[in-house]
Amino acid sequence: GAVVSQHPSWVICKSGTSVKIECRSLDFQATTMFWYRQFPKQSLMLMATSNEGSKATYEQGVEKDKFLINHASLTLSTLTVTSAHPEDSSFYICSARDRGFTEAFFGQGTRLTVV
Amino acid sequence: DAKTTQPPSMDCAEGRAANLPCNHSTISGNEYVYWYRQIHSQGPQYIIHGLKNNETNEMASLIITEDRKSSTLILPHATLRDTAVYYCIVRGSRNTGGFKTIFGAGTRLFVKA
Repeated sequence: GAVVSQHPSWVICKSGTSVKIECRSLDFQATTMFWYRQFPKQSLMLMATSNEGSKATYEQGVEKDKFLINHASLTLSTLTVTSAHPEDSSFYICSARDRGFTEAFFGQGTRLTVV
Repeated sequence: DAKTTQPPSMDCAEGRAANLPCNHSTISGNEYVYWYRQIHSQGPQYIIHGLKNNETNEMASLIITEDRKSSTLILPHATLRDTAVYYCIVRGSRNTGGFKTIFGAGTRLFVKA
């Protein structure tokens, strides 16, 4: 299957700072990328969908000004958690697909801890 | 997207077949059944998908009932490394634009030695 890579795998930041998470499709062009958040012992929650070159579409209840998504190229999408607080600590996962695929492929996830 | 119902947890003996059920009674005609799994602290891994015919690949088999209201994922010879949360998802195809993958609670499969 296609490879999706996230960076960093884990990050610890101070409360009030911003953190950027990268999601790259390594061997295909990702026309659409999805960002998820997962709290311990819970399922994945879809946060937003981004299409290359256009603004992201956020799910209900997700603050677009707090979770900035940029999908500037066909191989890279970034999620920036702005002014992070301890309640933003979570496992963030991206997935990506190309129009030629029937399924989306997932990154390995980024564990964010805000202290 | 149609909702799915899965048992919260299941046990399976190592080397035996693991049969994971999923109910999707509100599935529509152009929606596919997808299965993913998530091993602890990793991103989800695609397993298999199907529309109405049974499917098999190197990882698993997918049995879809004739009315498409339920399906079963079969891991023919479960190993300890198959311990994971398994998600059954119903989703439209790329052509219908229904491509968001919405996760339910899934089934936590424990494979025991």
